[in-house]
Amino acid sequence: DSGVTQTPKHLITATGQRVTLRCSPRSGDLSVYWYQQSLDQGLQFLIQYYNGEERAKGNILERFSAQQFPDLHSELNLSSLELGDSALYFCASSVMMVPWSGYTFGSGTRLTVV
Amino acid sequence: GENVEQHPSTLSVQEGDSAVIKCTYSDSASNYFPWYKQELGKGPQLIIDIRSNVGEKKDQRIAVTLNKTAKHFSLHITETQPEDSAVYFCAATGNRDDKIIFGKGTRLHILP
Repeated sequence: DSGVTQTPKHLITATGQRVTLRCSPRSGDLSVYWYQQSLDQGLQFLIQYYNGEERAKGNILERFSAQQFPDLHSELNLSSLELGDSALYFCASSVMMVPWSGYTFGSGTRLTVV
Repeated sequence: GENVEQHPSTLSVQEGDSAVIKCTYSDSASNYFPWYKQELGKGPQLIIDIRSNVGEKKDQRIAVTLNKTAKHFSLHITETQPEDSAVYFCAATGNRDDKIIFGKGTRLHILP
């Protein structure tokens, strides 16, 4: 157990729907990062939050949004889902604002859009 | 733009032999280079990392080397074992130290 908790582990939903993925960072970590992993694109950075504030954005679609709550857990919201959104979504956490100590990843949420 | 290239995409080595995975990065401002191992059904796990002010780092059977001038870094695994079979990702910090950019991964097969 890495200490980073992601729920749910699996999610199957239809095109056009909206889902919410949840992440609880490791105890003491203030930064949360979201990544999308697909077979052809590898691990793609989506967004980072540090202590409740958005700090960095990657190639995150406008249909996707995220937030980090006062208790430091984070949620990634995916709306108007398309078949191409099917992927593994990972959350990672770190102590510092900058990732110099590396990330601790959760075990991911596998999203299947049908 | 920020980019990390990794090769080979697949590598098969005999058990007990060494494996080498090579990466290049595009941004000269990158200063932190972690390596992750991902086993089937799990999230990536940090196995070793190196800072830009260090040329080489070793941890038991794993070593990383960094050539900042050439923007190359490599992972070396010696005396490979069956449990080394996994996907390995190299990575580098972006130019604002705000994220880690990953290579596309190397699937390592250890042959009995």
